[in-house]
Amino acid sequence: AQSVSQHNHHVILSEAASLELGCNYSYGGTVNLFWYVQYPGQHLQLLLKYFSGDPLVKGIKGFEAEFIKSKFSFNLRKPSVQWSDTAEYFCAVNARTGGFKTIFGAGTRLFVKA
Amino acid sequence: GAVVSQHPSRVICKSGTSVKIECRSLDFQATTMFWYRQFPKQSLMLMATSNEGSKATYEQGVEKDKFLINHASLTLSTLTVTSAHPEDSSFYICSARVVEGAEAFFGQGTRLTVV
Repeated sequence: AQSVSQHNHHVILSEAASLELGCNYSYGGTVNLFWYVQYPGQHLQLLLKYFSGDPLVKGIKGFEAEFIKSKFSFNLRKPSVQWSDTAEYFCAVNARTGGFKTIFGAGTRLFVKA
Repeated sequence: GAVVSQHPSRVICKSGTSVKIECRSLDFQATTMFWYRQFPKQSLMLMATSNEGSKATYEQGVEKDKFLINHASLTLSTLTVTSAHPEDSSFYICSARVVEGAEAFFGQGTRLTVV
């Protein structure tokens, strides 16, 4: 079955620390990949997306993600986190093989200490 | 970005009653809308996919007679939770998409509490 796995459920970092959140998927064929963020009390917002081309994707707020096809991974990174990055982060995938339904990972709660 | 409005944001209803949740795309036409359910501290679980003018496609394990979805226009989809029970209490989120495969834009969610 098609699935999306996020490795870390909870991450606590101090400000200025580097962040990497793992995401792996199990889909056949061409995939579209997304990272969404949900700040406390707010709705989901798109951080970045990958459809094709350069596997290193840059998104908003200094986030980037790298698509590694051989590893079925799409890890999210940020060199230096801020307190305002405290939120829940969801990796999501859709693909033609799945009827382009977007499936989400379990999410990672990030808490950044000031 | 595109705006999706979901209404109401919170609703409390009595067990046995029905509740309707609306999802509107405000500044674009959504060929497809999705309905998700999010349990506390869990991810979004896709309930169903609806395309304008056709019947919704439900995910396995989702009761289509309990969760009625109508996608009457390119800007409006509704989810009706019929004969609600306390176990239906959850956070329901809709999303709307213009093009197949592209990102979807999310509503702010509806917190349903059935008492």
